[in-house]
Amino acid sequence: SAVISQKPSRDICQRGTSLTIQCQVDSQVTMMFWYRQQPGQSLTLIATANQGSEATYESGFVIDKFPISRPNLTFSTLTVSNMSPEDSSIYLCSVDMVQGISYTFGSGTRLTVV
Amino acid sequence: DAKTTQPTSMDCAEGRAANLPCNHSTISGNEYVYWYRQIHSQGPQYIIHGLKNNETNEMASLIITEDRKSSTLILPHATLRDTAVYYCIVRVEVSNFGNEKLTFGTGTRLTIIP
Repeated sequence: SAVISQKPSRDICQRGTSLTIQCQVDSQVTMMFWYRQQPGQSLTLIATANQGSEATYESGFVIDKFPISRPNLTFSTLTVSNMSPEDSSIYLCSVDMVQGISYTFGSGTRLTVV
Repeated sequence: DAKTTQPTSMDCAEGRAANLPCNHSTISGNEYVYWYRQIHSQGPQYIIHGLKNNETNEMASLIITEDRKSSTLILPHATLRDTAVYYCIVRVEVSNFGNEKLTFGTGTRLTIIP
């Protein structure tokens, strides 16, 4: 399976600022997914990132708040914009390996907004 | 999307088999059942998946009922390191290109007791 490196692993940010989270994969992958996990909750899909096209966002998530880049088949970024304390969560990157047969997750970015 | 229902929590004695049930009564014929687990503060880890037949790997066994409306994940000899939240997920096909996403439910918090 793929090895995913997510940076930063954690951060404490001031409200009103933005944070960009990086997801680097050690092999080329078709699909990359970004999830949010609020404290004590399950994972919620934010968006699906395709290389060379705009990300597809789930209901309740918008590009202005969570812009995503996917410049190549091994890298993606998620930006959390104009942060508020409600954005305090773990953000996880995931990739599919073989047409959705296997999904691998990064270790996540623990974000605290103060 | 097919929804899954799992018990909120379960306990299992160390060394015994842990049997985690999942109901997915609205599953369609081409949807797979996936199991993931999330150990505290880590990204979800793939365990096993199946379509119709029972499956076994080095981590666990997956038993799917003949009508496919429910399944059971079996950890044959539970250890303390198996304490985690276990997610039963039905895979949704998003597009004709086979780009599929995972939708997480609330999961079962399994505690292995010494």
